[in-house]
Amino acid sequence: DAGVTQSPTHLIKTRGQQVTLRCSPKSGHDTVSWYQQALGQGPQFIFQYYEEEERQRGNFPDRFSGHQFPNYSSELNVNALWLGDSALYLCASSKQGDYTDTQYFGPGTRLTVL
Amino acid sequence: GESVGLHLPTLSVQEGDNSIINCAYSNSASDYFIWYKQESGKGPQFIIDIRSNMDKRQGQRVTVLLNKTVKHLSLQIAATQPGDSAVYFCAEKTSYDKVIFGPGTSLSVIP
Repeated sequence: DAGVTQSPTHLIKTRGQQVTLRCSPKSGHDTVSWYQQALGQGPQFIFQYYEEEERQRGNFPDRFSGHQFPNYSSELNVNALWLGDSALYLCASSKQGDYTDTQYFGPGTRLTVL
Repeated sequence: GESVGLHLPTLSVQEGDNSIINCAYSNSASDYFIWYKQESGKGPQFIIDIRSNMDKRQGQRVTVLLNKTVKHLSLQIAATQPGDSAVYFCAEKTSYDKVIFGPGTSLSVIP
């Protein structure tokens, strides 16, 4: 049973560039959430996708956008990168309808903006 | 705004002792709480959860206690092992599965 996978593992970009991060949910899961984790801090919720639509969004600018595909995988896009976007980006998957709906996290993508 | 926070940022314990990690939350409407463990270079790993209609829940070597009166959550780890060294986050679940994380407590186990 495959867990949550993310790609790439590490990424280096320069200011102003755009980046796309990818996530495949755990088998049987249909909901994907994205988080940003700055060094030494807890993960901050970016948004969540279910049925290919953004269902809820945290306090992040429109430079952050996403997509969910019919196979439940998801992408996170960040435009106009700036230094403050350097962080670990985590994807978590869960199954809609489970009360606890426990989220399982992937290993993350470490993004460095120079 | 609403937040989940921890009393102690770091905790050092002797191997074999019990560990207690504390957490305060501010949203009295939250009805589900989770503890995650994050090892260096990895994503958060689910440890144990508790619903607001419970006071206590036990797992393998871990126990979570919930005190709704003072909005306090704790994680107890029995017989702490070196493999327990990690950052521990308490998290609060709101509607639509949005999870709010606290800043984390770093647990260091001394052999």
